[in-house]
Amino acid sequence: EPEVTQTPSHQVTQMGQEVILRCVPISNHLYFYWYRQILGQKVEFLVSFYNNEISEKSEIFDDQFSVERPDGSNFTLKIRSTKLEDSAMYFCASSAGTSGTQYFGPGTRLTVL
Amino acid sequence: AQRVTQPEKLLSVFKGAPVELKCNYSYSGSPELFWYVQYSRQRLQLLLRHISRESIKGFTADLNKGETSFHLKKPFAQEEDSAMYYCALSGYSGAGSYQLTFGKGTKLSVIP
Repeated sequence: EPEVTQTPSHQVTQMGQEVILRCVPISNHLYFYWYRQILGQKVEFLVSFYNNEISEKSEIFDDQFSVERPDGSNFTLKIRSTKLEDSAMYFCASSAGTSGTQYFGPGTRLTVL
Repeated sequence: AQRVTQPEKLLSVFKGAPVELKCNYSYSGSPELFWYVQYSRQRLQLLLRHISRESIKGFTADLNKGETSFHLKKPFAQEEDSAMYYCALSGYSGAGSYQLTFGKGTKLSVIP
């Protein structure tokens, strides 16, 4: 059964550094998402992406964040200048349709020191 | 605005006992509700989707629009049910996309 994959599983970075989190959605899915979960808190929506552009973004997704689909398979989340409060688990998800079931990757744990 | 409330952070039950994980939602339109489960060190997995009206691993959930609830139930808990359970709502954001709004999750612990 196809799955969403994410790399790396754990990323440690210094405050102010740029990080790129990578995701490979399920191959025939058209809608892509990023969520994050700060330790002890709930999973929060960051951004949705369709047809090579952002469909919607939350208040969390400020100018420090960007997403890209650089090729036919990868979907990336970039944080330009990381802050301590960016430390969280970041989940990528994909769905076949706009309101369809979203399938999640295993997550990338980002630690900002 | 859409909101999902899971009032219990932790629920402990004995093996063989019934389980009910509560979920209430707030949404002005017609919602689509999901239960996701996260076993230790694993990804979020879809457990149930309300429109499917199916039973997965013995779990069922009925959407009650009058009470705005989507409680997850299982008549006899098993040790392998121990996990984190998240209720989620998919609602149209008005900007051309759907997003999932999650509750804070309930950790189910089944005591042998």
